[in-house]
Amino acid sequence: AQTVTQSQPEMSVQEAETVTLSCTYDTSESDYYLFWYKQPPSRQMILVIRQEAYKQQNATENRFSVNFQKAAKSFSLKISDSQLGDAAMYFCAYTRGNQFYFGTGTSLTVIP
Amino acid sequence: NAGVMQNPRHLVRRRGQEARLRCSPMKGHSHVYWYRQLPEEGLKFMVYLQKENIIDESGMPKERFSAEFPKEGPSILRIQQVVRGDSAAYFCASSRSTVNTEAFFGQGTRLTVV
Repeated sequence: AQTVTQSQPEMSVQEAETVTLSCTYDTSESDYYLFWYKQPPSRQMILVIRQEAYKQQNATENRFSVNFQKAAKSFSLKISDSQLGDAAMYFCAYTRGNQFYFGTGTSLTVIP
Repeated sequence: NAGVMQNPRHLVRRRGQEARLRCSPMKGHSHVYWYRQLPEEGLKFMVYLQKENIIDESGMPKERFSAEFPKEGPSILRIQQVVRGDSAAYFCASSRSTVNTEAFFGQGTRLTVV
């Protein structure tokens, strides 16, 4: 069964600094997709970044980048130049079919 | 182009009542997914539907829960005879094709059973 593990329930970062959120997953498949979603207090699930497993190059979206280690089944999210608006719950997710498997989330606090 | 619309945003039901949650997918999207988020947890898959068809309901509880996506109108998640344990946030997502490409989530319906 596919499982997604986020081992950091809470993280904090100073504004303008860099923070890395960890995610590991378990799968026997070779072709799949990984995502990071942000959930602010409004509860809206916002797609932050997506990685296709067959691509070796790490995905990047502005201040957000991932470190995808396929052999280690690791998919961490790096947020550079953290801003107050980055404060939220962050969920790592895996899919290769009709459903997402989500981790339990990491609550990120940004300290002014 | 409006995003995925869910209503109501908040729903309060007494134990034993029925809850109906609605989801209108984005324009052009014919795939709808329902997820449940319990407090302090991530989202858990419930059901995947296309127009007039349930494709995968492996995450749906066997009793009291049902879902539909009619030819016309929104997708409906129906919970009969609600219990306190049904209290959660219910999210709908839609996509143009399979979820691998990109799925857009609604803002969720928070169901509280009193």
